Amino acid sequence: DIQMTQSPSTLSASVGDRVTITCRASQSISTWLAWYQQKPGTAPKLLIYKASSLESGVPSRFSGSGSGSDFTLTISSLQPDDLASYYCQQYNFYPWTFGQGTKVEIK
Amino acid sequence: EVQLLESGGGLEQPGGSLRLSCAASGFTFSNYGMSWVRQAPGKGLEWLSAISGSGGSTYYPDSVRGRFTISRDNSKNTLYLQMKSLRAEDTAIYYCAKDQDDLVGGFDLWGRGTLVTVSS
Repeated sequence: DIQMTQSPSTLSASVGDRVTITCRASQSISTWLAWYQQKPGTAPKLLIYKASSLESGVPSRFSGSGSGSDFTLTISSLQPDDLASYYCQQYNFYPWTFGQGTKVEIK
Repeated sequence: EVQLLESGGGLEQPGGSLRLSCAASGFTFSNYGMSWVRQAPGKGLEWLSAISGSGGSTYYPDSVRGRFTISRDNSKNTLYLQMKSLRAEDTAIYYCAKDQDDLVGGFDLWGRGTLVTVSS
């Protein structure tokens, strides 16, 4: 199975900060990677698919990059509404697998 | 309205069985692959199974293969997850999720989830 490793597990940043979350796959997954945001008590929401494509309706401060094994999710200017956990997911090979998550806190 | 609505969760004893349902509306259900994903209390997301739009192809991780069965009834726009031999570690919120295309991941629509508790 492909292991997805996210870092950091938790991060605390101020409103307006640029925030970067990384996701590393244990083998190449091309660009078959998605990023999700999950706010407390709610279902996950798709932010990014195919590593860098922004889902419709998602604010442009979110962006994704990478290919092969290394990927990043960037929030260009952190907003209070971005308080959430973020997960990457590979869908190149079965079983599809998620990273362990990154919790973003607002200072 | 485009939505997914899960049902069928509840309290079940270890060794028991449950069938979850996911009613879809607002899109052409048979055109899309569907998945089940769960989240144990305070933990991350775990993909459980996927099924093609036609229902002809199914996929599972080793952790649930043989115990969980995914199926769909396109005439009823409904997805199912049959779970048997339940264990305490199956306690979680179970979400159904829609693929962006047929068996192309990137889940662009999620249900609100249904809670399954396995306890004696």
